[in-house]
Amino acid sequence: QSALTQPASVSGSPGQSITISCTGTSSDVGGYNYVSWYQQHPGKAPKLMIYDVSNRPSGVSNRFSGSKSGNTASLTISGLQAEDEADYYCSSYTSSSTQVFGTGTKVTVL
Amino acid sequence: QVQLVQSGSELKKPGASVKVSCKASGYTFTSYAMNWVRQAPGQGLEWMGWINTNTGNPTYAQGFTGRFVFSLDTSVSTAYLQISSLKAEDTAVYYCARVRVSTVTTSRPFDYWGQGTLVTVSS
Repeated sequence: QSALTQPASVSGSPGQSITISCTGTSSDVGGYNYVSWYQQHPGKAPKLMIYDVSNRPSGVSNRFSGSKSGNTASLTISGLQAEDEADYYCSSYTSSSTQVFGTGTKVTVL
Repeated sequence: QVQLVQSGSELKKPGASVKVSCKASGYTFTSYAMNWVRQAPGQGLEWMGWINTNTGNPTYAQGFTGRFVFSLDTSVSTAYLQISSLKAEDTAVYYCARVRVSTVTTSRPFDYWGQGTLVTVSS
């Protein structure tokens, strides 16, 4: 199972909105509404930000939103803040009943 | 509150074995399956597989069969990852992460993670 494809880096100024893409295939992202997004600050464990494409766990800011179209899922961060600077990973359920992560995206707040 | 507390960093020589523990608290251990995720230095996350905390049945992802073993001690709500015949390329941070047991458990998100255990393999 190949990793899902994410851009290596995305940047934006405070207050702006950015979108991170996560491209897979019909056997993972495109086939199921089971895409999650994780935020990871340096030296820390990942944190769940979005699950089942567009659902936010309790306590996660509503500035984070998720969507999906075909084989590509997206995470949008609106009102970008300095604390949002981190690595972001998508993950998806697959037709083999496994999980697969994306390649990861470094978000920089300019 | 939910906590997954992992054992401390390990320094091992090539060919040795290591056992990483992940102690759960704050929830019913058997209501959530335990997954293991590897992160090599400067690299991304890699799903290693999961263990059913009700049956003890492990499932290993491609690339993690043979030298990797998931196990449990439900009496102390702890999951274990053992790696044998260690190689330099096993150097990584290993995370445990829980998912709620459901009809399709592997579709569920990793909602809580351990703090990670750094395993360094070097002669």
